[in-house]
Amino acid sequence: EDKVVQSPLSLVVHEGDTVTLNCSYEVTNFRSLLWYKQEKKAPTFLFMLTSSGIEKKSGRLSSILDKKELFSILNITATQTGDSAIYLCAVARLMNNNAGNMLTFGGGTRLMVKP
Amino acid sequence: ETGVTQTPRHLVMGMTNKKSLKCEQHLGHNAMYWYKQSAKKPLELMFVYSLEERVENNSVPSRFSPECPNSSHLFLHLHTLQPEDSALYLCASSHGTGGYEQYFGPGTRLTVT
Repeated sequence: EDKVVQSPLSLVVHEGDTVTLNCSYEVTNFRSLLWYKQEKKAPTFLFMLTSSGIEKKSGRLSSILDKKELFSILNITATQTGDSAIYLCAVARLMNNNAGNMLTFGGGTRLMVKP
Repeated sequence: ETGVTQTPRHLVMGMTNKKSLKCEQHLGHNAMYWYKQSAKKPLELMFVYSLEERVENNSVPSRFSPECPNSSHLFLHLHTLQPEDSALYLCASSHGTGGYEQYFGPGTRLTVT
């Protein structure tokens, strides 16, 4: 059975802190790993990672994938209150009927950044 | 209007009601998805449509019935639901099912009484 596990479940930090969110996975026919940010309702796309060891960066956020150890991390530097959200990790794998890929989500990490 | 829209945003229904959720994407995508997000559980994939054909049904009870009349619209027809079906129902779309990122709508918060 496919598994995507995120840690920690929740995290409270102060503005300016750096945080690291973890995502480990066990899926068959891995295709890619995606990170999303969910503030109110709609998850918004952050990164898609397909290759090991290549960091993707967007402003204060960065992410990297390790396909050998089957995990990814999402780093947020100089956190701001606007970073408060649930961060979701998802792994894309080939569907059983080979019709394409589907996403399996982890349970998310709830980040709260205090002023 | 841009992105992925969903209506209604909130829905309260009794167990004997029949209602439908609607999703529309304005991104030119050809794959659409329904997800269920319950409290303290990961997002669960319910249905996948690619080019208006259902390609995955993730063991969803028959009281949930999807419909995809064209590549821009997706419906989820609901009937005789149970209180445990109360959740946030999210629609998403992507360029294909080939590992591309999915873009989500704002969701419908469903409460079954």
